[in-house]
Amino acid sequence: QVKLEESGGGVVQPGTSLRLSCATSGFTFSSFAMHWVRQAPGKGLEWVAVVWYDGGNKYYADSMKGRFTISRDNSKNTLYLQITSLRVEDTAFYYCVRDWEAAPRYYFGYWGQGTLVTVSS
Amino acid sequence: SSELTQDPAVSVALGQTVTITCQGDNLRSYFANWYQQKPGQAPVLVIYGKHDRPSEIPDRFSASRAANTASLTIAGAQAEDEADYYCNSRDTSGGTVFGGGTKLTVL
Repeated sequence: QVKLEESGGGVVQPGTSLRLSCATSGFTFSSFAMHWVRQAPGKGLEWVAVVWYDGGNKYYADSMKGRFTISRDNSKNTLYLQITSLRVEDTAFYYCVRDWEAAPRYYFGYWGQGTLVTVSS
Repeated sequence: SSELTQDPAVSVALGQTVTITCQGDNLRSYFANWYQQKPGQAPVLVIYGKHDRPSEIPDRFSASRAANTASLTIAGAQAEDEADYYCNSRDTSGGTVFGGGTKLTVL
């Protein structure tokens, strides 16, 4: 079955950087677009970014452009999210998400359990 | 970018029908997808595209669209349907946007 497992979260200081990872299994990783979606505690869902199956196309939410970088390593079946200059408002659960279908249609069919990033001094 | 607007909270009596709405200009061009999220859990896709459901989602969940408003209907709401519901759709910049979410209470 499809498994998505995020890691790399924790308590970090403002201004620092962090790289989140998502290890995947149970499907042909190199065939699917992959996303990051975040959710501040007690708040709604916020889409962060998408990377297409081959890493050739990447799109970001307007509010995420500049400090967030999505990438993937198809040889390791792993998705990444690099966040720089972390801010208190970046505190959230970060979910790794797979599209329901191979084509990137933004049907978020499979979700990891999320990794919590807490930005605090 | 664009925005999707949802009512913050809706309630329904057990066994009755409830409709949750999602409004936004991009819904004139794109369908909304719907997600259910229970406390402490990741969201679950319940409706995608025009009106498709993953196989594990009960058929009491359905969706429709009219003009700039998408609707999720639960016919005969059950206690286990109490959750937060989110819509999302494509936007014009190559990405997607979520609605703010609706908290459904089953009385």
